[in-house]
Amino acid sequence: QKEVEQNSGPLSVPEGAIASLNCTYSDRGSQSFFWYRQYSGKSPELIMFIYSNGDKEDGRFTAQLNKASQYVSLLIRDSQPSDSATYLCAVNIYGNNRLAFGKGNQVVVIP
Amino acid sequence: DADVTQTPRNRITKTGKRIMLECSQTKGHDRMYWYRQDPGLGLRLIYYSFDVKDINKGEISDGYSVSRQAQAKFSLSLESAIPNQTALYFCATSGGHLNTGELFFGEGSRLTVL
Repeated sequence: QKEVEQNSGPLSVPEGAIASLNCTYSDRGSQSFFWYRQYSGKSPELIMFIYSNGDKEDGRFTAQLNKASQYVSLLIRDSQPSDSATYLCAVNIYGNNRLAFGKGNQVVVIP
Repeated sequence: DADVTQTPRNRITKTGKRIMLECSQTKGHDRMYWYRQDPGLGLRLIYYSFDVKDINKGEISDGYSVSRQAQAKFSLSLESAIPNQTALYFCATSGGHLNTGELFFGEGSRLTVL
């Protein structure tokens, strides 16, 4: 089993809708979780991080963490065309800021 | 100016050539990393360094070597490049007083091995 899994294929959402992305991880001892956004040909940039079970909101973005079920999700509310990008889930699986990344999910927001 | 700078940004080379990708940072972070990104495979860790005297292999270190010349500089070498090393390479840093575990990425170095 890969350490960090993002299994969904490309996600197309209409402008203004909610985009939902999911990520599962293998190491039950992982403590910190990150969502990065990456535009085509560009470097990943952090959207938000989450450490505790529950929800964390930042503007139109909400991260949800469930350590018992070993998943972390990202909701994008009121999706905008500028949200069209690949979203990478990253988990501090190895400790000491060594992140393992999922393969990413492409989101396309349709005007 | 970018806080994490990679050179070159693009490089085309031939099989068997030695290639060095350089990374410098002005963030004052002690931890530096090299990742490669391939379509469909995500980001994979090649090497990482927690200070000048600390170098560690990541999950895909074969065929690569690194040098931490100073706290701010971390270079990646391909001693004899091969076509399956064609990829987008990212340098990243982390650390600082407000260490959240976040990685800060350079702009990437696209390497093509013919």
